[in-house]
Amino acid sequence: DQQVKQNSPSLSVQEGRISILNCDYTNSMFDYFLWYKKYPAEGPTFLISISSIKDKNEDGRFTVFLNKSAKHLSLHIVPSQPGDSAVYFCAASGGNKLVFGAGTILRVKS
Amino acid sequence: EPEVTQTPSHQVTQMGQEVILRCVPISNHLYFYWYRQILGQKVEFLVSFYNNEISEKSEIFDDQFSVERPDGSNFTLKIRSTKLEDSAMYFCASSTRTGGGYTFGSGTRLTVV
Repeated sequence: DQQVKQNSPSLSVQEGRISILNCDYTNSMFDYFLWYKKYPAEGPTFLISISSIKDKNEDGRFTVFLNKSAKHLSLHIVPSQPGDSAVYFCAASGGNKLVFGAGTILRVKS
Repeated sequence: EPEVTQTPSHQVTQMGQEVILRCVPISNHLYFYWYRQILGQKVEFLVSFYNNEISEKSEIFDDQFSVERPDGSNFTLKIRSTKLEDSAMYFCASSTRTGGGYTFGSGTRLTVV
């Protein structure tokens, strides 16, 4: 099932700089997109979401951008902090379920 | 902050045995889910549950799996006869509505030997 793709397995960023995590999807019926953060041995923690009728949503250091024509969304973290180091999952909502991407490991170096 | 609680955190079972994974969703949530993540793979949807019945299930959720909300607070996933390939982290989640706003539990690591 490749409906949601995160093509970068990992990303390394210097503390204080911007982290940009990308996600592509194929199903135009998805109506909601979410980003989750996950630490080892823990469940995914909800970060931020965006409805398909919007193109931007901001919450503190986190901003999600949605480009429906390109079926692409991205998560921007500014400024990045060492505590942001984790696996980030993009997920898309279709009906009664979430479809997850494979995740991107973010490492923020101090 | 309200949380979804899962027990046990780790379960080891012999192949062919039945296991029950337990979850206590957030009390005012109406939608309940099970997901799993096999080591090194994506988080995969198993089943969603609303109004005391399954609303959607994946092809992974075959006859070996069942879910139940036995007492209005617990939400369980039963695997009747475990296989080696059932070894995974199993996550319970709940939400107030379909779409966004899911809260996940910390997961149960199931190891089938």
